[in-house]
Amino acid sequence: QQQVKQSPQSLIVQKGGISIINCAYENTAFDYFPWYQQFPGKGPALLIAIRPDVSEKKEGRFTISFNKSAKQFSLHIMDSQPGDSATYFCAASQNDYKLSFGAGTTVTVRA
Amino acid sequence: EAQVTQNPRYLITVTGKKLTVTCSQNMNHEYMSWYRQDPGLGLRQIYYSMNVEVTDKGDVPEGYKVSRKEKRNFPLILESPSPNQTSLYFCASSLWGTGPSEQYFGPGTRLTVT
Repeated sequence: QQQVKQSPQSLIVQKGGISIINCAYENTAFDYFPWYQQFPGKGPALLIAIRPDVSEKKEGRFTISFNKSAKQFSLHIMDSQPGDSATYFCAASQNDYKLSFGAGTTVTVRA
Repeated sequence: EAQVTQNPRYLITVTGKKLTVTCSQNMNHEYMSWYRQDPGLGLRQIYYSMNVEVTDKGDVPEGYKVSRKEKRNFPLILESPSPNQTSLYFCASSLWGTGPSEQYFGPGTRLTVT
């Protein structure tokens, strides 16, 4: 049973557009929500992370929005570029404990 | 260069033939973990270790063994591989006990069991 549900499974966006990936969780004890980016043939790498005491975190073109009451968080990729084409995983953990990953979203940015 | 290495990168084997996938990190991390990645299921944790001689089961431990005799190494052992263990495997490491920290992943091992 997946503790973090991620959608959509895949998305296609035009260059310059906005990509949005959503995740939902049930365990209210989760206190750390990272996003990992994975390119083909590579291992995942940390992209951006948020703690539940803030509602939004922005790093460059990547923004996490966090809604604690709805138990949802999302990744927004602004001004999407072909180099952003990758698989994105949301994840959650509690008390520095193990990460539970979502199923992943494959993003394709068309030039 | 700080990194997690895995060997082999690709492996084709037959049912029942014991195999070991090695994992090594050079960042002096306490925490190490093994995941398998399957389409539509994301990354699922197999085993993890919070330090030398301390290991515990993750979400899908059946059919796997691990050991942590040295801080830098965390091998994954399949005593009797079966076709349902065909998957992409990742080793990861991170700091432990200092708050949430980035997990560093290895390049992956693609295993096929026929």
